[in-house]
Amino acid sequence: QVTLKESGPGMLQPSKTLSLTCSFSGFSLSTSGMVVSWIRQPSGKSLEWLAAIDWDGDKYYNPSLKSRLTVSKNTSNTQVFLKITSVDIADTATYYCARRPDYSAHFDYWGQGVMVTVSS
Amino acid sequence: DIVLTQSPALAVSLGQRATISCKTNQNVDYYGNSYMHWYQQKPGQQPKLLIYLASNLASGIPARFSGRGSGTDFTLTIDPVEADDTATYYCQQSRNLPDTFGAGTKLELK
Repeated sequence: QVTLKESGPGMLQPSKTLSLTCSFSGFSLSTSGMVVSWIRQPSGKSLEWLAAIDWDGDKYYNPSLKSRLTVSKNTSNTQVFLKITSVDIADTATYYCARRPDYSAHFDYWGQGVMVTVSS
Repeated sequence: DIVLTQSPALAVSLGQRATISCKTNQNVDYYGNSYMHWYQQKPGQQPKLLIYLASNLASGIPARFSGRGSGTDFTLTIDPVEADDTATYYCQQSRNLPDTFGAGTKLELK
C-alpha cells in the first residue's frame, strides 16, 4: 500500500534554512511518469503547491518561491527532500508531500503532513 | 497563475443535496480532459482525493460524490449528504503549472 510521511524540524528561527524529508513506500519514483510534490497549508488557509520532482529527476517550482526552493531525491528513489532558504513567519504551515501518478494528474496519495513553525 | 474561486461555506440538511462550485479564470480543458480535481479535508487531516479529471470517482469514494463541468465551471455534488461529510472541500487545477487550489468551501449541516 502507498504511504508517504513527512519529517522536519518542527520549529526554526527566521532567516534559517528549512529542510524537509518525504519518505515513501508502496511505489517507486523510478516508474515512468511518477511525480512527488510538496504542498503547504498555513493554519486555517488553503493549499499552496511548492515544488515537484519526477521519475527522471526533472524539477518543477512555484515561480513565486522558486529562488528559495530546492527539491531533490535520493538515489534509491525512496525519499524526496525540500529545502527552503531564508524562512520567515509567513512560512509557518503544515507541509505535505503528495504523489502524482502522472504529469498533470491529480494528487492521489498524501502524507499526514508535518507542522513547521518559524519563530524567534 | 490560474485562479480558482469557490464559495466560502454551504449549509445543507442531512439527506439533502450539496452542490459546491469552482470557477476558474482560464480554461482548464486540454485534449478532451478537464484538469480539475476535488479533495475533502477534515480538521487535522490531510486532503483526500474525491474526484479527478472533473468527473472520475477516486478509488474507495462512495457514489454519493460526483463531479461535472468543463472549461471554467465545475461542480462537486454530494447526494445525499451524510453527517460524516462535514469538511472543507477544495478544487485544484493541474492544467498549468503552478498547480493552484481554490480557497475551499466549508460544508456544514443545518
